Parts: sequence; structure tokens; C-alpha cells
Amino acid sequence: GIQVEQSPPDLILQEGANSTLRCNFSDSVNNLQWFHQNPWGQLINLFYIPSGTKQNGRLSATTVATERYSLLYISSSQTTDSGVYFCAVATGTASKLTFGTGTRLQVTL
Amino acid sequence: DAGVTQSPTHLIKTRGQQVTLRCSPKSGHDTVSWYQQALGQGPQFIFQYYEEEERQRGNFPDRFSGHQFPNYSSELNVNALLLGDSALYLCASSLGDFQYFGAGTRLSVL
Repeated sequence: GIQVEQSPPDLILQEGANSTLRCNFSDSVNNLQWFHQNPWGQLINLFYIPSGTKQNGRLSATTVATERYSLLYISSSQTTDSGVYFCAVATGTASKLTFGTGTRLQVTL
Repeated sequence: DAGVTQSPTHLIKTRGQQVTLRCSPKSGHDTVSWYQQALGQGPQFIFQYYEEEERQRGNFPDRFSGHQFPNYSSELNVNALLLGDSALYLCASSLGDFQYFGAGTRLSVL
């Protein structure tokens, strides 16, 4: 099956700093979603981005499908950005999502 | 518009027991998927239901079964619980590719 790798596994930032999270995948995808999982376990949709670039406030994402990677940018980080960020992909006619191992982000004051 | 709702939020069972988890999809969504998330890991796909049929299944034993009702809500049943079944169980609904997740049910098996 498809492999999804995320880096870095852990990230500690001071409030106000910027960061880039990376997701590499091993096959062509027709679905790619970025999620933020808060400390209570809720998976919050950030982006549906199988290709191209999108922005939503301080967050933006870019997927280069031909090179099989996606990037999530967080600017001017806030303590509420803390949590685990997951990239998840689906391939072919299958709609099941395969998740990466996540990036654990901690934003400190 | 209510999102994806799951019940119960927390559950404690003992080894060998059976458990049923419930999921109501987002309004208008006809497809429900279930995922298991062990501590410190990403969610793993269990199965997906569409039109009351299991459409896809991940690498989980037959102890895991499900059902989808005509109103698109769904249940996940786990028989003969093992300690290793302790996890956060997440339900996602979709209409097309984009999946929305519920808050999950945290199952502890003692």
C-alpha cells in the first residue's frame, strides 16, 4: 500500500515563529488532506489539497503531485496551534485515507 | 448544521466483552468510515460503509464488524475485546472525497 512520511516528527517553536511541515507519499494520489488533532483528539480539517496551493489565514498548503509531496506552512504561530498535524492521502478509486505518523508541534510563550 | 457525532465519548470494558460504538454522519453525507487510532500513532482505516454495504475494509480481524442504517448512521461492533483494542475510534463521513471526522470514542480495555 501507499506509504506516507511526515517530517519533522517533533517541533518546538516560540510564539510568533513560522514553520514548514512536510508530507511525502509513495504513489499518485487523488485525495490529500491536512488535519490538526487537538489535545482532546478531535481531527480538524485544515485543507483538502490533492494538488496546487491554498491559503486560509495564517495557514497555507502546497501539494506538488508530480513530485509526491505536500507542505503545510504555519505563520506567526500561536499557542493554540499546538497539537499533532497529520497528512492523509487516498489513491485510485479507493477513498480510504492513509495517514502519516504526524508532526507534534508545541508552541511556547 | 451538526457535524459528525459519536457516542459514547468514553468507554471502559474488560477483556472478552463486546462493544458497540455509534456514529451519526454530517447532514447530507452518505458514506461513513471508521478508523482506529492507537496512542502515539496515526489513525488506521477499519472499514467504510456506503448504501448500507461494507465497501472497503482495512487489515482488521473479523472481530470488527459494522452496520449502516437507512438514515446513513453507523455502528462499529468489536467482539472478544483484547487489551490491544484500547484506542481512540474515529468516525468520518463524506459525500465525495473530503472526509469530516467526529470527536471519537475513547475505548479502554482492562
